[in-house]
Amino acid sequence: KQEVTQIPAALSVPEGENLVLNCSFTDSAIYNLQWFRQDPGKGLTSLLLIQSSQREQTSGRLNASLDKSSGRSTLYIAASQPGDSATYLCAVRNTGSSNTGKLIFGQGTTLQVKP
Amino acid sequence: GAVVSQHPSRVICKSGTSVKIECRSLDFQATTMFWYRQFPKQSLMLMATSNEGSKATYEQGVEKDKFLINHASLTLSTLTVTSAHPEDSSFYICSASAWGRELGYTFGSGTRLTVV
Repeated sequence: KQEVTQIPAALSVPEGENLVLNCSFTDSAIYNLQWFRQDPGKGLTSLLLIQSSQREQTSGRLNASLDKSSGRSTLYIAASQPGDSATYLCAVRNTGSSNTGKLIFGQGTTLQVKP
Repeated sequence: GAVVSQHPSRVICKSGTSVKIECRSLDFQATTMFWYRQFPKQSLMLMATSNEGSKATYEQGVEKDKFLINHASLTLSTLTVTSAHPEDSSFYICSASAWGRELGYTFGSGTRLTVV
């Protein structure tokens, strides 16, 4: 059974710092991994999607890496801003013909960037 | 592209009544839609998977008679919470994907249900 873990659960940094959020998964047979952002009381916004054959994806100040063999992904945020404050969730989609394609989520990392 | 609209964003209902939540894919055809529930400060818990034109597949522990899911078209799925009780109060979020496994998932903005 796939399990996704995110560390740390919460993080507080001063504005301008570079930071790394971690995500690990127990079953390396994934189809892809997706990072989301969730603001309080809101839905999820997709940040980056990494296919199993890819090693990393970049979008602006965000960079996500994937090491399938070790079951790890990291989300790197450069030059953090107060507007980056949110909960960041990673989710994996397993392979397998019997799989409906559902996502398995980590518990999230709540980030606070202080001005 | 890939926008999912969820409605309503907030609803307050009396205990014993039913509430319907809609999830629409606005600019793509969603072959599969997923319904999640999220408790405060917790992650998303998958409730059920719905495929257009077929019965929904419910996760273990989710009451199918209480949470009715209909996916009658490629752009609309509905979740009806029947005979709602205060313990059903939660944040419900839908997501959708289109043909092609290379695509990620797009999520709706969520519905905050409060049963009083």
